[in-house]
Amino acid sequence: DAKTTQPPSMDCAEGRAANLPCNHSTISGNEYVYWYRQIHSQGPQYIIHGLKNNETNEMASLIITEDRKSSTLILPHATLRDTAVYYCISRGSQGNLIFGKGTKLSVKP
Amino acid sequence: GAVVSQHPSWVICKSGTSVKIECRSLDFQATTMFWYRQFPKQSLMLMATSNEGSKATYEQGVEKDKFLINHASLTLSTLTVTSAHPEDSSFYICSAKLADSYNEQFFGPGTRLTVL
Repeated sequence: DAKTTQPPSMDCAEGRAANLPCNHSTISGNEYVYWYRQIHSQGPQYIIHGLKNNETNEMASLIITEDRKSSTLILPHATLRDTAVYYCISRGSQGNLIFGKGTKLSVKP
Repeated sequence: GAVVSQHPSWVICKSGTSVKIECRSLDFQATTMFWYRQFPKQSLMLMATSNEGSKATYEQGVEKDKFLINHASLTLSTLTVTSAHPEDSSFYICSAKLADSYNEQFFGPGTRLTVL
């Protein structure tokens, strides 16, 4: 079972920041948190991952709380092409990624 | 960046036939590949873990004799759906993990299987 929980859906205005929350209170101290997104009928696309420190790359920023029980993915300037299902993911025992139901982000003009 | 391809991207077959899906890592070696299945409006569910040169590890409820996995090289894994039935219609997605890397994992574009 997924160790992460996310809101099922969110809306965001184009050009504004999209903040996607994730609760992962049961992951262990050495488990990374991964974020992927899936645009309709495509394979998941890697966004970012983190352990303790906040992370930033060309796609997004990841803010992880000090107690590691939750994190927030930030898309600083959302575009219509960012409309997708965003998954906050932990890793399984086989090294696989455990997908929950994700958050369906709708970016609106 | 690392690229994973799948072939075919979509396939329609008759009930009772077998279908082979290929997953290739194009510019890196993958000691481990994962096969997922995604039904409409649902999330990805792991079917099996494929390690190069050894037998695949299947998740509970996934029939190993029905979903044959072969990982003969560091860049290719195949999934064969044998005696396909309409309930096997789904979106099949593979991912590949970089050798000697714990974190890097890349997904293919998926294969849409429709069994008539």
